[in-house]
Amino acid sequence: DQQVKQNSPSLSVQEGRISILNCDYTNSMFDYFLWYKKYPAEGPTFLISISSIKDKNEDGRFTVFLNKSAKHLSLHIVPSQPGDSAVYFCAASSGNQFYFGTGTSLTVIP
Amino acid sequence: DAGVTQSPTHLIKTRGQQVTLRCSPKSGHDTVSWYQQALGQGPQFIFQYYEEEERQRGNFPDRFSGHQFPNYSSELNVNALLLGDSALYLCASSLGNTGELFFGEGSRLTVL
Repeated sequence: DQQVKQNSPSLSVQEGRISILNCDYTNSMFDYFLWYKKYPAEGPTFLISISSIKDKNEDGRFTVFLNKSAKHLSLHIVPSQPGDSAVYFCAASSGNQFYFGTGTSLTVIP
Repeated sequence: DAGVTQSPTHLIKTRGQQVTLRCSPKSGHDTVSWYQQALGQGPQFIFQYYEEEERQRGNFPDRFSGHQFPNYSSELNVNALLLGDSALYLCASSLGNTGELFFGEGSRLTVL
């Protein structure tokens, strides 16, 4: 059973515009959420995280929003840059184990 | 500051063989987790090691086993390989069992 879902396999955005990547989860015990970025032939790299006690966390161009009642989180990238083109994974945990979504491939068009 | 390093980067095995993958965690990290990433999927948790013991295990058969050494490095062993074991195997390290995971580049295993 997929406890973390990313329903959009791909997303294309013009350079300078906002990219919004979405993630849904089913386990209400999850208390920590992260976004990872992955380039081809590289391991995932940590991007931004949010604890369940918050509903927003911002780091430069990246903002993560958490809606616990809807069991939904999103990653906003503003402004989007061509170097942001990668696969983005959301992940959730309630302790030792992290559950990952299947990823969204973001393409930022110059 | 060395990040997470994994070896080998690529390897090819045949069905029924055994494989050992190795991981050195990021400097200062004491916890190592292993993930399997099949094509088109997200990483799936295999197990986590802390203080040389398996602390938690995902939904993987006993053919998957591991070890953590006193220097915190770790090995993943897979016995009786199946075609379905073909995947990218990712090692991730962390400090303790919370906080972000730092991933290596992975070991790409192909089973023929």
